[in-house]
Amino acid sequence: DAGVIQSPRHEVTEMGQEVTLRCKPISGHDYLFWYRQTMMRGLELLIYFNNNVPIDDSGMPEDRFSAKMPNASFSTLKIQPSEPRDSAVYFCASSSPTGVQPQHFGDGTRLSIL
Amino acid sequence: AQTVTQSQPEMSVQEAETVTLSCTYDTSESDYYLFWYKQPPSRQMILVIRQEAYKQQNATENRFSVNFQKAAKSFSLKISDSQLGDAAMYFCAYRVGGAQKLVFGQGTRLTINP
Repeated sequence: DAGVIQSPRHEVTEMGQEVTLRCKPISGHDYLFWYRQTMMRGLELLIYFNNNVPIDDSGMPEDRFSAKMPNASFSTLKIQPSEPRDSAVYFCASSSPTGVQPQHFGDGTRLSIL
Repeated sequence: AQTVTQSQPEMSVQEAETVTLSCTYDTSESDYYLFWYKQPPSRQMILVIRQEAYKQQNATENRFSVNFQKAAKSFSLKISDSQLGDAAMYFCAYRVGGAQKLVFGQGTRLTINP
């Protein structure tokens, strides 16, 4: 089975530009998570969805960040306008809800805002 | 609030030796799950091992095992016969049963000396 698929793997863009990160979860997984990883703050949960509905977006840093899940097989994380402090690795993960099922992570997108 | 603490920012071990990574957590819940994830330089987040809190038996996956001390809220990871491919950041994570949010520790960077 294919794992969680993220694109792009790397993104370099200039401050002020719109950035869109994409994620395809594992088929059959009801939960989808977006994380941000930085040296200073470690792994932070930004938002997660259940059955395409946002459940908890308390980790979204500010209004410049938005996330959508239009269907069970696709999600986006958008930053508009981007700032240098948004530079980080962004991970998408998915899981099924039963028992001790772990979250399965994508390979991440390394985002650099110049 | 639940917290996860990894008190060892860095560890090193000789190849073929055994190393133990520490993790403690703070919770008032009785039903929860614990995980260790590995993040090699390729930045993938790879599940190493998982443990249900209601199980007294320590989880084992090949060369990886845990020492789960529920009363002490401790969840250490033991790697036996260390191999060069074990070099990575290791993250301890906690999840309340019935919830989906993972709480991560800050990570321990493990170096394997040949």
